[in-house]
Amino acid sequence: GESVGLHLPTLSVQEGDNSIINCAYSNSASDYFIWYKQESGKGPQFIIDIRSNMDKRQGQRVTVLLNKTVKHLSLQIAATQPGDSAVYFCAEIAGGGYQKVTFGTGTKLQVIP
Amino acid sequence: SQTIHQWPATLVQPVGSPLSLECTVEGTSNPNLYWYRQAAGRGLQLLFYSVGIGQISSEVPQNLSASRPQDRQFILSSKKLLLSDSGFYLCAWSNGGRTEAFFGQGTRLTVV
Repeated sequence: GESVGLHLPTLSVQEGDNSIINCAYSNSASDYFIWYKQESGKGPQFIIDIRSNMDKRQGQRVTVLLNKTVKHLSLQIAATQPGDSAVYFCAEIAGGGYQKVTFGTGTKLQVIP
Repeated sequence: SQTIHQWPATLVQPVGSPLSLECTVEGTSNPNLYWYRQAAGRGLQLLFYSVGIGQISSEVPQNLSASRPQDRQFILSSKKLLLSDSGFYLCAWSNGGRTEAFFGQGTRLTVV
């Protein structure tokens, strides 16, 4: 659901390890999901998306998994690099209506060199 | 290609002063437009969204207002700023379908 004034949880990962960032979404009618990366002082940038008719999608070093049964989304980053340090947000778009983009709470990823 | 412009990048305003942040989108028509606020170290809070000229929906009660005088222009305003209005303000647009939202670079507002 909406991230309203919540402190960001932090995930610390050693450089070279894999990272898994999780997100629980709220609307069972959502049928499109996006992961964004936000570096300090900048706007969020698109990483990868997935539609509800899929349960897995792979990009370059990133994989998104969707479990509609429990309304859970995850982002896996392979061989995490210092440049991956950022805040990661999941977003959901529900079908019907005008399809507002709703963001999750966000997770801060810290990569330890 | 589509681009989104948001300005200013930083702004320091005294309490009680007015505010006007502007966002424009190029390269698309009839976009959905959004204003988000992000407090330091926190998530994105949706303030306003708009599906068309003059159509504004407010997500949370607050000291701010939004207007959409033209198809690709979205303005965030306040008549009198409060200290609690400080934050990072982000404008975004989407096509309204099952597509990603694209963000501007944000405005860092500090109310003193």
